[in-house]
Amino acid sequence: AQTVTQSQPEMSVQEAETVTLSCTYDTSENNYYLFWYKQPPSRQMILVIRQEAYKQQNATENRFSVNFQKAAKSFSLKISDSQLGDTAMYFCAFISNTGNQFYFGTGTSLTVIP
Amino acid sequence: EPEVTQTPSHQVTQMGQEVILRCVPISNHLYFYWYRQILGQKVEFLVSFYNNEISEKSEIFDDQFSVERPDGSNFTLKIRSTKLEDSAMYFCASSADRSNEKLFFGSGTQLSVL
Repeated sequence: AQTVTQSQPEMSVQEAETVTLSCTYDTSENNYYLFWYKQPPSRQMILVIRQEAYKQQNATENRFSVNFQKAAKSFSLKISDSQLGDTAMYFCAFISNTGNQFYFGTGTSLTVIP
Repeated sequence: EPEVTQTPSHQVTQMGQEVILRCVPISNHLYFYWYRQILGQKVEFLVSFYNNEISEKSEIFDDQFSVERPDGSNFTLKIRSTKLEDSAMYFCASSADRSNEKLFFGSGTQLSVL
C-alpha cells in the first residue's frame, strides 16, 4: 500500500525568505510520480510541481523546487522568495505509473508573514 | 490553459435527498476521477473512470454513489440518499493519458448536507 506523510501540519515564513516543506512516502513501486499541490482559501487544487521518479534531476518551477531523494523516499518542496500569495495549504501526492488513484498527505498549512 | 469545470460551486441539500455533481473535463482527456475532501482532512480518492466504466473505486464509493458520462462531455457524480457525513468538497479531475503525468483538478463543489 502507498502512504504519504507530511509531518509539519503548520509552518510560517517571513515574506522574501525561503521555506522547505517535508514529505515522505512509502511504496514498493519503482516507477511513479510525485506532486505538490497548493490549496488556497478558495479550496481549488493547483498543481505546483511534478517529479518523475525515474529522473534524478530535481524539478524546478520558478521559485519552487524539490529535493527528491528516491532511496530515502523523501520529496521536499522549497519555496524561495516567499510571497504573500503563497499562503495556502500544501499537499504532497503520489501516484504510481500504473495506478488509478493519487494518494495525498494530510497537508501543511503555510502562512507567509509580511 | 484548459481547465476542468465543476458546477455548482456550492450545493446545499437535505439529508436523504439525491444530488448530482457535474463536471466538464478537459476535452481531449480520457481518464476521469472524483475525489473528496472533508473540511480539515486530506483529499480522498473516490473513483476513477475510463472508457465508460469504473476502473477503480475506494471503500468510500459505496452503493449510494454512482458516476456517469452521459453525453461525451459531462462527467457526473450522483449520491442517491445523502447523509450528513457526505458533506465535503468534491473535486473532479481528468488526465490525458495513462501515465498520470499531470492531473488537472476542477475548482470543486462544496456539498453541505443538512
